[in-house]
Amino acid sequence: QVQLKESGPGLVQPSETLSLTCTVSGFSLTSYGVNWVRQPPGKGLEWMGTIWNDGSTDYNSALKSRLSISRDTSKSQVFLKMNSLQTEDTAIYLCARGFAHWGQGVMVTVSS
Amino acid sequence: DVVLTQTPPTLSATIGQSVSISCRSSQSLLDSDGDTYLNWLLQRPGQSPQLLIYSVSNLESGVPNRFSGSGSETDFTLKISGVEAEDLGVYYCMQATHAPYTFGAGTKLELK
Repeated sequence: QVQLKESGPGLVQPSETLSLTCTVSGFSLTSYGVNWVRQPPGKGLEWMGTIWNDGSTDYNSALKSRLSISRDTSKSQVFLKMNSLQTEDTAIYLCARGFAHWGQGVMVTVSS
Repeated sequence: DVVLTQTPPTLSATIGQSVSISCRSSQSLLDSDGDTYLNWLLQRPGQSPQLLIYSVSNLESGVPNRFSGSGSETDFTLKISGVEAEDLGVYYCMQATHAPYTFGAGTKLELK
């Protein structure tokens, strides 16, 4: 069945770069796009960006200067990198196939 | 960016009661391909979001048919015909017609 699982560091220093991995199973990245969405504690959802099945990407303009999404199809992995982190980037980061299948999310805290 | 305004922010219901949630968009969500990419998701406490309805009125596989969606252009409604205990949580509308994709602020469904 379709599964997605996020992984990465739970704590990142301010001004540092966040690197997250979304490992998928049950489908091919060359057939479906994957979204990254984040949710600050107690707040709503924010779409960050999408990597499409052809490898092209779309980003939220509010994050575009800091954000990069890539993939390794041979490993069924999608990567998120975001630089210059600030405390307001503290959130649960989720990957999703379309918006029908979601990972469990990974909590990232930005703090010194 | 498209702003989605959900009302009410909080909804108190008894088991078996029918309720509706409104989602109004700051611009038409009718895409040039003829589809309207307005989705409804439910986030239960401590869980990832779950897709309920896609493209205004299409029930996602496995979702009970007490959920229904309607609307067009800028006004959309999610109806639950007979609330059950498992329906409690926060409901989000989201649009994927215009980049960046955006979410409403959420409607929290509580038991009365």
